[in-house]
Amino acid sequence: QKEVEQDPGPLSVPEGAIVSLNCTYSNSAFQYFMWYRQYSRKGPELLMYTYSSGNKEDGRFTAQVDKSSKYISLFIRDSQPSDSATYLCAMKGSSASKIIFGSGTRLSIRP
Amino acid sequence: KAGVTQTPRYLIKTRGQQVTLSCSPISGHRSVSWYQQTPGQGLQFLFEYFSETQRNKGNFPGRFSGRQFSNSRSEMNVSTLELGDSALYLCASSLGQGIDYTEAFFGQGTRLTVV
Repeated sequence: QKEVEQDPGPLSVPEGAIVSLNCTYSNSAFQYFMWYRQYSRKGPELLMYTYSSGNKEDGRFTAQVDKSSKYISLFIRDSQPSDSATYLCAMKGSSASKIIFGSGTRLSIRP
Repeated sequence: KAGVTQTPRYLIKTRGQQVTLSCSPISGHRSVSWYQQTPGQGLQFLFEYFSETQRNKGNFPGRFSGRQFSNSRSEMNVSTLELGDSALYLCASSLGQGIDYTEAFFGQGTRLTVV
């Protein structure tokens, strides 16, 4: 079993819809939770990171962490075609430990 | 502020050869991590260097090695290339310590094809 599980998609939604992306994990030592966005032929770009449980909002993006369920989510409001990309969840235990990535979800926003 | 620079962007090598990839981190960043990205396995951690010392290591064979120089630039080397080594190799830089260590910035990657 992988430490981090993420549905690969692809996920296709109409422009303006609310998108929900999710990951589950098995290692209870994870404390730092991140979401990266990767466009085709580009390196991943950090969108948001959260320490421990709770919510964090940044513009149209909201990240949620539920450590009791070992479940993290990224919500995208008012989705735009420019949001079409692969979204990777990532997590780590301590500040000095390596980052473990999910396999990524391919998202397509239809105009 | 310049981003993370990886060279070369594309590389084609023959099975059995060796290859060296280079990464220049963001100015002031002391940590460099290397990842292999393939469609089947996703992003897999290779190793991390901080202040010229390897701080973390992933589960890759000894054919994969790296080093970091005093100016924080890093190189990774793959010897005796196999077809399965074909992948996008990504480098990420971060401050390396403190609360901002979590923020890792990626380069565009080096696309290695082994034929």
